[in-house]
Amino acid sequence: ETGVTQTPRHLVMGMTNKKSLKCEQHLGHNAMYWYKQSAKKPLELMFVYNFKEQTENNSVPSRFSPECPNSSHLFLHLHTLQPEDSALYLCASSQDRQTYNEQFFGPGTRLTVL
Amino acid sequence: GESVGLHLPTLSVQEGDNSIINCAYSNSASDYFIWYKQESGKGPQFIIDIRSNMDKRQGQRVTVLLNKTVKHLSLQIAATQPGDSAVYFCAVTTDSWGKFQFGAGTQVVVTP
Repeated sequence: ETGVTQTPRHLVMGMTNKKSLKCEQHLGHNAMYWYKQSAKKPLELMFVYNFKEQTENNSVPSRFSPECPNSSHLFLHLHTLQPEDSALYLCASSQDRQTYNEQFFGPGTRLTVL
Repeated sequence: GESVGLHLPTLSVQEGDNSIINCAYSNSASDYFIWYKQESGKGPQFIIDIRSNMDKRQGQRVTVLLNKTVKHLSLQIAATQPGDSAVYFCAVTTDSWGKFQFGAGTQVVVTP
């Protein structure tokens, strides 16, 4: 297991629910990332935080709302999702967001939207 | 924009044989490349990387080859083992800020 943990590991929610995904890293990193991995599709970057500041929003719909209260924790708040949002949501961290710093991934949260 | 593709969705390999997984990219300005391994139920794991000033890089049982002329990247796994069964995908960037384009992945199945 890596130093990046994600909870819950599985989540089933209705389209009217509000839920949150949590990510925690124990690596002392300063950059954290949210990715979406849909079945048989490439990994898609959603958000990047560097030193707690959001530095990237990859045209993500507003029904996904990230929060980074400190460098160790990252949340993804979900509300009024659509069935096509069902996917594996992966969190990653790196020393900072420079390209050559290895990104360490968590195990992901498998989200199903009914 | 960047387009990253993989040549085969599934690769079946006999245990002990060598595996070759391919990746094509479209942007000739791409300068950094990573191969990841993703086992079932786990997040992606870094395997090996290569910068555009190199053609070849070797790790433990893995070799990455970069052909910039045809914009092609490959991962070779020597003496494939059951523990190598996973999805492998490439990541490519022209960016200094950790923003990659990812391939969809090749499922490697190791048969006894």
